[in-house]
Parts: sequence; C-alpha cells; structure tokens
Amino acid sequence: DAMVIQNPRYQVTQFGKPVTLSCSQTLNHNVMYWYQQKSSQAPKLLFHYYDKDFNNEADTPDNFQSRRPNTSFCFLDIRSPGLGDAAMYLCATSRAPGTANIQYFGAGTRLSVL
Amino acid sequence: QQQVKQSPQSLIVQKGGISIINCAYENTAFDYFPWYQQFPGKGPALLIAIRPDVSEKKEGRFTISFNKSAKQFSLHIMDSQPGDSATYFCAASNQIIFGKGTRLHILP
Repeated sequence: DAMVIQNPRYQVTQFGKPVTLSCSQTLNHNVMYWYQQKSSQAPKLLFHYYDKDFNNEADTPDNFQSRRPNTSFCFLDIRSPGLGDAAMYLCATSRAPGTANIQYFGAGTRLSVL
Repeated sequence: QQQVKQSPQSLIVQKGGISIINCAYENTAFDYFPWYQQFPGKGPALLIAIRPDVSEKKEGRFTISFNKSAKQFSLHIMDSQPGDSATYFCAASNQIIFGKGTRLHILP
C-alpha cells in the first residue's frame, strides 16, 4: 500500500497559471519535504515542514510556496510557473528531521508547463 | 558548490558482474550516507545506508564501503541483475544532499 501519495501523477499547466500539487501520507510522520527533480538530475530540496514549522531552502525561488494544513497533507503551490519549472516534483516524509531518519518518497508529480 | 560528487554518470555492466559507483563528500560534519535507488516513473527508495563509524556495510548483494579519511564512499552491487537497472543516488545528511546520480544498465 502506498504510504506517500502524490496527486496528480501528471500535471500540465500554462505559463504563468498557478498550479498546486498535493501530497498525503499515511505514516503519521512529523516531517514532509518537497523536492524538485529535473531530467537526469538529482532531487533538489525546496523546503520542508517539521510539524507546522516551515523551513525554506535559501535558494528556493519565491515563486514556490507550501502549505501543510494538517499532519497528513502538504501542498506545493507554484504561483507563476515558468518553462524552467517543468520537472518532477517529489514529496517525502520522515519521522523526524536530521540524521538517519529515513525519508520515504512518493512516486512524484511530473509537471509540464506550456 | 556541490557537496556530494558522484561518478560515473552512467554505467553498463554485464549480468553477473560487479557494479561500482563512487561518491565523495566535502563536509566532515556529515554523519549519515544513504544510497537511493530510483526506477523510471518512481520516487527514490532507500537502498542501504552507512554511518562513518564503520568502514563497510553489507545487505545481500549490496555493499557500502566507506573511507572516512578520504571522504569517499562507494556502492558495490555483486552479481548484478537486469532488475538492478535503475538510477542510483548517493546522499549525505542532515537534510538529504544528493549526488547527481548514476544510471546503471545491466546487460542480460
């Protein structure tokens, strides 16, 4: 059974049109992460929530926002998608932040920007 | 500045052979080194991980070798199988910093 579920699996949006990607988890983990993975590249951490505390990576563009209304759900909002934002977006969870806390990844949402 | 350098970028190995992927890190504060396996269309999944207080960890056909003084670690896949064909990422703590990945293809 899937433990980290991302919807939709594929998302197409238009240049500049806001888009929201969703992630849910059944693990009751405290930490939820969002990564961006471009073709043939490593996943790049955008930000994470530790419970309700939001932690943004220094180089994450302001165009990317996130919401975590409860333990189970986390959303990635892209306010004005550009062509360069086309990528796979991965959600992950872990019981706690930091060393040796295994991250469990969802299957990802592939975003296309037309 | 890339904190985790991974090589090779791609690797082709005959079935039954040994696949070796190497990573080097810069930050001596890193204390957890996982390897992730990613199949096309799937998210990465933890394969095996090591802490720097041991030099080797083995799980089935997968072995991590760790050289703390050289700040290097490697993944060895023994008796490589076509089902091992995937992209492999090394990573380092605390918040996961990934290497660029190695696309492994096992020839049947």
